[in-house]
Amino acid sequence: GESVGLHLPTLSVQEGDNSIINCAYSNSASDYFIWYKQESGKGPQFIIDIRSNMDKRQGQRVTVLLNKTVKHLSLQIAATQPGDSAVYFCAEGFGNEKLTFGTGTRLTIIP
Amino acid sequence: ETGVTQTPRHLVMGMTNKKSLKCEQHLGHNAMYWYKQSAKKPLELMFVYNFKEQTENNSVPSRFSPECPNSSHLFLHLHTLQPEDSALYLCASSPPGASGSGGYTFGSGTRLTVV
Repeated sequence: GESVGLHLPTLSVQEGDNSIINCAYSNSASDYFIWYKQESGKGPQFIIDIRSNMDKRQGQRVTVLLNKTVKHLSLQIAATQPGDSAVYFCAEGFGNEKLTFGTGTRLTIIP
Repeated sequence: ETGVTQTPRHLVMGMTNKKSLKCEQHLGHNAMYWYKQSAKKPLELMFVYNFKEQTENNSVPSRFSPECPNSSHLFLHLHTLQPEDSALYLCASSPPGASGSGGYTFGSGTRLTVV
């Protein structure tokens, strides 16, 4: 289980640069992965998802990469903007089982 | 708006009070969830409902009592809470299983402060 006072990983990026947020997932059988964005005072919002039969998927300014060999997921955000400042969560799912969420990474965009 | 609405947005209650949190979705989803989000902690799953039936209680203290009268509404009844229960309580909904179709849709949460 998680320990009390877990420190949230942070990432600071200059506005206009690209960001890469990483996530290690736990279940090698997971076949569905999602990235969520949570802004201050709001609930997590869906950004992009990917199935295990793919290793890359692109959206608008975002790309998700999946490396099943090392159980690693990453979210790349191109040309970051101030509105990208938020906490980013990865989630994994398998079949009809409930999603399992990561601890989150706080992304801060430096003007 | 995500399609999942939570009320109230903020709640301050004393340890002897009884209050309820409400969640409503009209996305046609059949699964609904309560999560607790505390500072510096991952999301903690509390309860899961599928087609109005509770399918998971993640060892939640009995001072939290969920209710799901139909697939569109979910309540969390609170009584005799402790200060450590102060947190953001998030409701989410999904198609059964949530694998595909964008996973869970979250509400904006209720920020609960127990004094």
